[in-house]
Amino acid sequence: AQSVTQPDIHITVSEGASLELRCNYSYGATPYLFWYVQSPGQGLQLLLKYFSGDTLVQGIKGFEAEFKRSQSSFNLRKPSVHWSDAAEYFCAVAFNDYKLSFGAGTTVTVRA
Amino acid sequence: DAGVIQSPRHEVTEMGQEVTLRCKPISGHNSLFWYRQTMMRGLELLIYFNNNVPIDDSGMPEDRFSAKMPNASFSTLKIQPSEPRDSAVYFCASSQQGAGNTIYFGEGSWLTVV
Repeated sequence: AQSVTQPDIHITVSEGASLELRCNYSYGATPYLFWYVQSPGQGLQLLLKYFSGDTLVQGIKGFEAEFKRSQSSFNLRKPSVHWSDAAEYFCAVAFNDYKLSFGAGTTVTVRA
Repeated sequence: DAGVIQSPRHEVTEMGQEVTLRCKPISGHNSLFWYRQTMMRGLELLIYFNNNVPIDDSGMPEDRFSAKMPNASFSTLKIQPSEPRDSAVYFCASSQQGAGNTIYFGEGSWLTVV
């Protein structure tokens, strides 16, 4: 069955430190890959997406993600975290159709 | 441009009452989605419309739930009768048709059934 896994439920990082959020998917072909962010009380906002081509994708708010086919991964990174990056982050995949399957999410806490 | 607009943002209702959630998708988008978010189950797709027609309602939990899209700019999700286990955040989202197109989410309707 198709699935997307975010192994880390909660990550705490110091302001200014780097951040990496993990995402793995299970499917025979390369899906469409997305990262969304959800701030408290808000909807989901797209950070970036990957369809094909360059495996390093740049997004908004200084985020980037790298697709690694061999590892079935699409990890999200930010070199220097700001307090405003505290939120919940969702990896999502779509397999040639409209259905987005979401991971369980990773909550990021930023400490001063 | 306005994003996806949902109403009400918050609703508290008593068990057994009818609840209607409303959504206005982004103009020009022909795909509309209703998602439910809970702590236990995360984000679940309830129903997907394309060009106002329900294409996939396999995620609708039971007959108490119904959704309509009478035109391209309006959709409703109705729960009748509501139960405490329906308490969740309900998101409406829209996109242009096509695999991989960005899906834009509304800010959600926070439902509490007591």
